[in-house]
Amino acid sequence: GAVVSQHPSWVICKSGTSVKIECRSLDFQATTMFWYRQFPKQSLMLMATSNEGSKATYEQGVEKDKFLINHASLTLSTLTVTSAHPEDSSFYICSARRQVPYEQYFGPGTRLTVT
Amino acid sequence: EDQVTQSPEALRLQEGESSSLNCSYTVSGLRGLFWYRQDPGKGPEFLFTLYSAGEEKEKERLKATLTKKESFLHITAPKPEDSATYLCAVQGGWGDYKLSFGAGTTVTVRA
Repeated sequence: GAVVSQHPSWVICKSGTSVKIECRSLDFQATTMFWYRQFPKQSLMLMATSNEGSKATYEQGVEKDKFLINHASLTLSTLTVTSAHPEDSSFYICSARRQVPYEQYFGPGTRLTVT
Repeated sequence: EDQVTQSPEALRLQEGESSSLNCSYTVSGLRGLFWYRQDPGKGPEFLFTLYSAGEEKEKERLKATLTKKESFLHITAPKPEDSATYLCAVQGGWGDYKLSFGAGTTVTVRA
């Protein structure tokens, strides 16, 4: 199957600082990547859709100035949490969509803790 | 708006006790129905994509089927390592092709 990686797998940062999470599709090109957030014992919540070479599309209620997304190439998307606060602590998961076959693969997730 | 409902919420099985998980959906123009497995603290692992009613796919002890309104994930003779949360998602045919997820079914298989 296709492989999607995320880095880092976990990060602890202080309130007010920024954190960048990388998402890479290792063995296929992805024109579209997605960023999700997951709270304990809940399903995935889509934050934004990232298209290579264009601006991300954010879901309603997601602050685009706080969660900066850049899809720099066909294999890399980044999520930057700016001026992080404790309420931003969560499990962030990216996914990448492969065209042939038409399937969507997820990364292993990044656990963010803001102190 | 696409909607996905999974049942039951939780399922406890004895090793070897086969069972089925249900995923009911409403979507405008189904582009695909996806099954994922998620272990605690990890991202979802892709299992299957089903595209049209009547389609079936198998992988080891898992078999997924699709009708026009629901999908089933059958677990045959489960083992403890099949314990996980199983997520169902649909992708509609309009707009930006986002996945709409169900809440998941948490399966626990006891030895």
